[in-house]
Amino acid sequence: AQSVTQLDSQVPVFEEAPVELRCNYSSSVSVYLFWYVQYPNQGLQLLLKYLSGSTLVKGINGFEAEFNKSQTSFHLRKPSVHISDTAEYFCAVTPRAGKSTFGDGTTLTVKP
Amino acid sequence: EPEVTQTPSHQVTQMGQEVILRCVPISNHLYFYWYRQILGQKVEFLVSFYNNEISEKSEIFDDQFSVERPDGSNFTLKIRSTKLEDSAMYFCASSDAGMNTEAFFGQGTRLTVV
Repeated sequence: AQSVTQLDSQVPVFEEAPVELRCNYSSSVSVYLFWYVQYPNQGLQLLLKYLSGSTLVKGINGFEAEFNKSQTSFHLRKPSVHISDTAEYFCAVTPRAGKSTFGDGTTLTVKP
Repeated sequence: EPEVTQTPSHQVTQMGQEVILRCVPISNHLYFYWYRQILGQKVEFLVSFYNNEISEKSEIFDDQFSVERPDGSNFTLKIRSTKLEDSAMYFCASSDAGMNTEAFFGQGTRLTVV
């Protein structure tokens, strides 16, 4: 079984500031890791994913995340946020050919 | 890029009515999933489907729910007698069985039960 913990339910930040959204996971098997963004009343949009290889992955909209196997973490970062980044962010893990397990989500609010 | 498509994007139904949510997975995918997201909450797994049968289901997926792959392209979720608490966003996903397996999600169907 897998579990995902998003350590911050809400993250307020000023525009152009850096941000980190934290995600820890636990799993008894190897998993793939994902970050999704969800804007109000919309579906899930894949931001980035870690399947294998380099532990630093870059995604859309200037986001990146680093997979840390020893700490079982997959934190999402962006060096400079915009107002348009205000949204709900979900971390998820998926074993090969298995169901995805999502975290509770982090609400990122970017203030002017 | 191939994508999972869901129809309709929004459905309103009266309590007690049956609804069918439709999904067209990516064509060469073999694993199919339904997830649910109640407003303001996280995404929850409902059911997975492989080789024409349910491979796993959550406790949410009770006898009111059923899934079907009626032809080679569609994957449906049926709720037999909707309740107010079934109001949610329903996401379909599919994946293949390759080495780098990831699930591709559709944009969701928002179900409103009134």
